Amino acid sequence: DAGVTQSPTHLIKTRGQQVTLRCSPKSGHDTVSWYQQALGQGPQFIFQYYEEEERQRGNFPDRFSGHQFPNYSSELNVNALLLGDSALYLCASSWSGMETQYFGPGTRLLVL
Amino acid sequence: EDQVTQSPEALRLQEGESSSLNCSYTVSGLRGLFWYRQDPGKGPEFLFTLYSAGEEKEKERLKATLTKKESFLHITAPKPEDSATYLCAVGSQGGSEKLVFGKGTKLTVNP
Repeated sequence: DAGVTQSPTHLIKTRGQQVTLRCSPKSGHDTVSWYQQALGQGPQFIFQYYEEEERQRGNFPDRFSGHQFPNYSSELNVNALLLGDSALYLCASSWSGMETQYFGPGTRLLVL
Repeated sequence: EDQVTQSPEALRLQEGESSSLNCSYTVSGLRGLFWYRQDPGKGPEFLFTLYSAGEEKEKERLKATLTKKESFLHITAPKPEDSATYLCAVGSQGGSEKLVFGKGTKLTVNP
């Protein structure tokens, strides 16, 4: 049973650029959540997608946007990158009828 | 606003020396309390979900307990491979789907 997968594993960008991160949920899951984790901190909720729509959003600017596809996979897009966007980006999947979220390995983004 | 505070920030144990990690929380209505283990540079690995005060769950050397204000992760006779950061998170009722995390406790177990 494949777990949550994310790509790429690492990414280096410069300020002002745009980035797209990808996530495939665990088999049988239909809900995808995205989190940002700065060094030494706990993950911070960005948003959640269910039935191809953003269901809830955390305290992140509009530069952060996402999409969910019919096969439940998801993308996170960040525009106009800032140095402060450097972090580990985590995708978590769950089934809409259960609370527990399962995390992928993350994408490490470095903005120079 | 939901809040989670974990203590201590870091803990060093000798192999076999049992201890407990604390997670204090404030939430409007608890939908679930979650414990995860995270190795450096990796994604969090799910350990336990607790739903109501008095509930306990065990897995190998780990045991999680829950009261109305806090949760404890008890580690019995730890081994070096238990070294990791342990994260606590809460989900609240009322239509909120997000998890609110603490900063974690970094556990180091020396052989």
